[in-house]
Amino acid sequence: QKEVEQNSGPLSVPEGAIASLNCTYSDRGSQSFFWYRQYSGKSPELIMSIYSNGDKEDGRFTAQLNKASQYVSLLIRDSQPSDSATYLCAAGADRGSTLGRLYFGRGTQLTVWP
Amino acid sequence: EAGVAQSPRYKIIEKRQSVAFWCNPISGHATLYWYQQILGQGPKLLIQFQNNGVVDDSQLPKDRFSAERLKGVDSTLKIQPAKLEDSAVYLCASSQWTGSNQPQHFGDGTRLSIL
Repeated sequence: QKEVEQNSGPLSVPEGAIASLNCTYSDRGSQSFFWYRQYSGKSPELIMSIYSNGDKEDGRFTAQLNKASQYVSLLIRDSQPSDSATYLCAAGADRGSTLGRLYFGRGTQLTVWP
Repeated sequence: EAGVAQSPRYKIIEKRQSVAFWCNPISGHATLYWYQQILGQGPKLLIQFQNNGVVDDSQLPKDRFSAERLKGVDSTLKIQPAKLEDSAVYLCASSQWTGSNQPQHFGDGTRLSIL
């Protein structure tokens, strides 16, 4: 059973701080990774995708991938109260009969306080 | 572009009753997914369609769950009979095609409560 583990949280940071969210995955064959943001009662919203080792930046968000360590992270700089949500890490099943399937972690709940 | 449409938004039924959910993916998206999200957990894939064919239904409880995508566009997911443990949010997602780097876009989901 392929697994994605996230730091359980909840994570609470002050406004303006850096929030760091971490994720590990079990399937060494995974090549695609995604971070989704989910507000309470809402559907997951894609915020970042990463496929290569290293960092990928998009505005205040930076995703980091280390395939050797099977580790993915999301940094949110200058955190805002509007960033308060649950963040879901997902790893893609990138071969065979499960191609295209995403394996999700349980999510990390982030609260940014003013 | 219009997003993934789902209905109904909420449904309350008693155990052993049946229920159906509907999904219309983003226009042009060939791949459609149904997920179950239990409170406090991440989404779990139930079934994946490529056009009107099933790609992966290995995690679908086939004794009570069924799904179809007859014309390769919209899809329905049915539960019959429902059990208490089926209380969850049922999410539909779509992507342009089935591939390792294809991001999936989610609808607003149907929140199902079983009494």
